[in-house]
Amino acid sequence: KQEVTQIPAALSVPEGENLVLNCSFTDSAIYNLQWFRQDPGKGLTSLLLIQSSQREQTSGRLNASLDKSSGRSTLYIAASQPGDSATYLCAVLTGANSKLTFGKGITLSVRP
Amino acid sequence: GAGVSQSPSNKVTEKGKDVELRCDPISGHTALYWYRQSLGQGLEFLIYFQGNSAPDKSGLPSDRFSAERTGGSVSTLTIQRTQQEDSAVYLCASSRTWTGETQYFGPGTRLLVL
Repeated sequence: KQEVTQIPAALSVPEGENLVLNCSFTDSAIYNLQWFRQDPGKGLTSLLLIQSSQREQTSGRLNASLDKSSGRSTLYIAASQPGDSATYLCAVLTGANSKLTFGKGITLSVRP
Repeated sequence: GAGVSQSPSNKVTEKGKDVELRCDPISGHTALYWYRQSLGQGLEFLIYFQGNSAPDKSGLPSDRFSAERTGGSVSTLTIQRTQQEDSAVYLCASSRTWTGETQYFGPGTRLLVL
């Protein structure tokens, strides 16, 4: 059974810092991995999707990497801003047409 | 274009009552998903519809939970004889064709069972 872990559960940083959010998964035979953002009281917004054959994806100040063999992914946020404050969740898809398995998320607070 | 919409946004009900939650996916998306998000539990998959195929119900926690998708578009999640442990945020998502694509989430329905 696939398990996804995100540690720590919460993180507080000053504005302007570059930061890394970690995600690990137990079954390396994944199809893809996705990072989502969730603002309080809202649904999830997809940030980046990395296929199993890819090593990384970039969107603006965000860069997600994937090391399938070690069961790890990182989300790098450059020059963090208070608007980046949210909960970040990673999710893995194990097999085509299977379901996403989510981590519990990391709640990020960026202090002005 | 419009995103995924859900209604109601909030629902308070008494234990033992039935509730219906509605999801309107993005137009043209054939794959639709229901998830449950409980405090401290993370996102839990409930059910997945893809086109006209039989739905994947493997995540439904009990036979009190059921879901329909009529005409390949709107979906309704029904919880019968609600229990306090059913209190959670119920999220719906859709993707263009299948689970390997980006899923777009609705804002959720916050259910409170008293």
